[in-house]
Amino acid sequence: DTGVSQDPRHKITKRGQNVTFRCDPISEHNRLYWYRQTLGQGPEFLTYFQNEAQLEKSRLLSDRFSAERPKGSFSTLEIQRTEQGDSAMYLCASSFGTSSSSYNEQFFGPGTRLTVL
Amino acid sequence: AQKVTQAQTEISVVEKEDVTLDCVYETRDTTYYLFWYKQPPSGELVFLIRRNSFDEQNEISGRYSWNFQKSTSSFNFTITASQVVDSAVYFCALKTSYDKVIFGPGTSLSVIP
Repeated sequence: DTGVSQDPRHKITKRGQNVTFRCDPISEHNRLYWYRQTLGQGPEFLTYFQNEAQLEKSRLLSDRFSAERPKGSFSTLEIQRTEQGDSAMYLCASSFGTSSSSYNEQFFGPGTRLTVL
Repeated sequence: AQKVTQAQTEISVVEKEDVTLDCVYETRDTTYYLFWYKQPPSGELVFLIRRNSFDEQNEISGRYSWNFQKSTSSFNFTITASQVVDSAVYFCALKTSYDKVIFGPGTSLSVIP
């Protein structure tokens, strides 16, 4: 399968614990995005990487959230001291682009569903 | 401000009926892109169509058609002769600068056999 993959697909954790999710983009894609989707809502942009550089972060990304893409390939999203409000689907997407003004289709992964008890 | 509104939260139709999903967007940018995505019960987002702001030509793809009207800032999606497999949540989305995509709240479509 050459699509975007995410691991794990489901994560249940207790409030206060740290969790880390991984995203493997399509191999030739230089851009990687994280979104959060809560029940009944559309995905909300969290952050975006071009290669290893994190170029934009949403206000939704509090200081408990950190994302990395150290080698410009896979990315990790860590949530520290999880809260019940963090329960959501975390979606990763990737694309290939060279210009900020053009659109480059984003291909989405299956998501990681986080439940914080 | 950039915003996408999908006023229809849930729609139910009987199989073979036509259904139109509404999308209204807001942006001050002159260059932008609009999309529709489908999210079936499995959860994965499936890209359906992209339109840029300079191309108002309507598009038809099989049973799907899209009506883009800049004058009313709308990008509506019609499914003709709906089928049970069309049951899903449909998201309209907007991209302006960079690749940040703003999604609408989604419309949940149920096609009843």
